[in-house]
Amino acid sequence: AQSVTQLGSHVSVSEGALVLLRCNYSSSVPPYLFWYVQYPNQGLQLLLKYTSAATLVKGINGFEAEFKKSETSFHLTKPSAHMSDAAEYFCAVSESNNNDMRFGAGTRLTVKP
Amino acid sequence: NAGVTQTPKFQVLKTGQSMTLQCAQDMNHEYMSWYRQDPGMGLRLIHYSVGAGITDQGEVPNGYNVSRSTTEDFPLRLLSAAPSQTSVYFCASSYSIAVGSGFHSEQFFGPGTRLTVL
Repeated sequence: AQSVTQLGSHVSVSEGALVLLRCNYSSSVPPYLFWYVQYPNQGLQLLLKYTSAATLVKGINGFEAEFKKSETSFHLTKPSAHMSDAAEYFCAVSESNNNDMRFGAGTRLTVKP
Repeated sequence: NAGVTQTPKFQVLKTGQSMTLQCAQDMNHEYMSWYRQDPGMGLRLIHYSVGAGITDQGEVPNGYNVSRSTTEDFPLRLLSAAPSQTSVYFCASSYSIAVGSGFHSEQFFGPGTRLTVL
C-alpha cells in the first residue's frame, strides 16, 4: 500500500524566511500527491495537488510543491513565511487506481516574528 | 452547499457506551471515508465507502462499524467505547475524475468530532 513520510514533526522559521516542509512517498503505481493545511480546531483544507500533469504545482497562499520521481519526494515550499502560515501541514498520497488516501504524521509550522 | 457536515462537535462517553457519529455531504460524492487523528500519527483511515451499499475497512477498523444506505450519509458507530478511541474524528467525501488510465480524487473534510472516552 502507498505511504508517506514527513521529515520533521516541528519546523520553526522567522517571518519572511523560506518555508520548506519535506515529504517522501512510497507507491507501487503512479501516485497522486496532496498537501493539506489544518488550522487549530479546524478540518483539513487542500493547499495543492499533483495529478501527473506539471511537476511544479502551485497552490493557495503562495505555496508550491515539486514532484521529483527520482527522489520520491513532494516537498512543500513558500518563499516568505507569514505569521498566518502557522498551522499543521499534512502530505498525502493516493494511487491512480483507487481512492484510498494515506496521510503523513504531519508537520507543525511555527512562524516567529 | 453545506459541504461535509459532522455532528456532534464534541462528545464525552464512558467506557462501554455506544454512540454514532453522523456525517453528511451534499455534493453528490460517491466516495466517503472516516479518519481518526491522533497526535504524532496524522490521519488514519478507519472505514471507507465507494458508493451506497458498499463499505470497506481501512487501516484501523477495529471497534468501529459503518453503513452507507444513501449517497449523502455515512455514519460511524462505536458499539462499546474504549479509552483508546479518544481522538478527533474526521469525515471526508470525494469525487473521482478520470485521468489517463487511472483516476484521481480530492477529499473534502468535515470540521471534525472531538471524542473523549473516560
